[in-house]
Amino acid sequence: KAGVTQTPRYLIKTRGQQVTLSCSPISGHRSVSWYQQTPGQGLQFLFEYFSETQRNKGNFPGRFSGRQFSNSRSEMNVSTLELGDSALYLCASIPGQGKGEQYFGPGTRLTVT
Amino acid sequence: AQSVAQPEDQVNVAEGNPLTVKCTYSVSGNPYLFWYVQYPNRGLQFLLKYITGDNLVKGSYGFEAEFNKSQTSFHLKKPSALVSDSALYFCAAGPMNTGFQKLVFGTGTRLLVSP
Repeated sequence: KAGVTQTPRYLIKTRGQQVTLSCSPISGHRSVSWYQQTPGQGLQFLFEYFSETQRNKGNFPGRFSGRQFSNSRSEMNVSTLELGDSALYLCASIPGQGKGEQYFGPGTRLTVT
Repeated sequence: AQSVAQPEDQVNVAEGNPLTVKCTYSVSGNPYLFWYVQYPNRGLQFLLKYITGDNLVKGSYGFEAEFNKSQTSFHLKKPSALVSDSALYFCAAGPMNTGFQKLVFGTGTRLLVSP
């Protein structure tokens, strides 16, 4: 069974631009979570989607948004990029109703200059 | 508010010796607890989880963890460390009553196993 895939793997953007990251979960998994990983703040929860509905949201500004499609693929968008948005963005795929272990993708490394 | 603490930034151990990576948590109600490992330029890999049942949980690659409710701890252990175990280890927790996956992660502990 294929794992979680995230595209692109690396991205360089300029401050003020916007970016869209994509995550394809493991086949059959309907829940997807997103996390931001930075050296200073560690891993922080962004949001979680289940069957196209956002069930949980972390403490991030409204510039961070996401969505999930009917095939469970998810995208997250960051508008008006700031230097502090530079991070590794991780997507996790979760089986069933969302209890149990999360299966993480390799991440998208976003650099904002 | 939920929180997870990993008090050691780095743990050094010689190959063949036992290792322990510490984790304490603060979660409302009964927790579910996880350990993940991260290798350079990779995502997180699941090692083991505690949801209910035996306090000693066995996971991948010979790792195990002991849940201690009174001490709110979930320390990761391995009887005999390998050089290939060198990586960044994360403890994570979430409240069982929500049923949703909004995990709080610790800051990570770097494990360095010397030959």
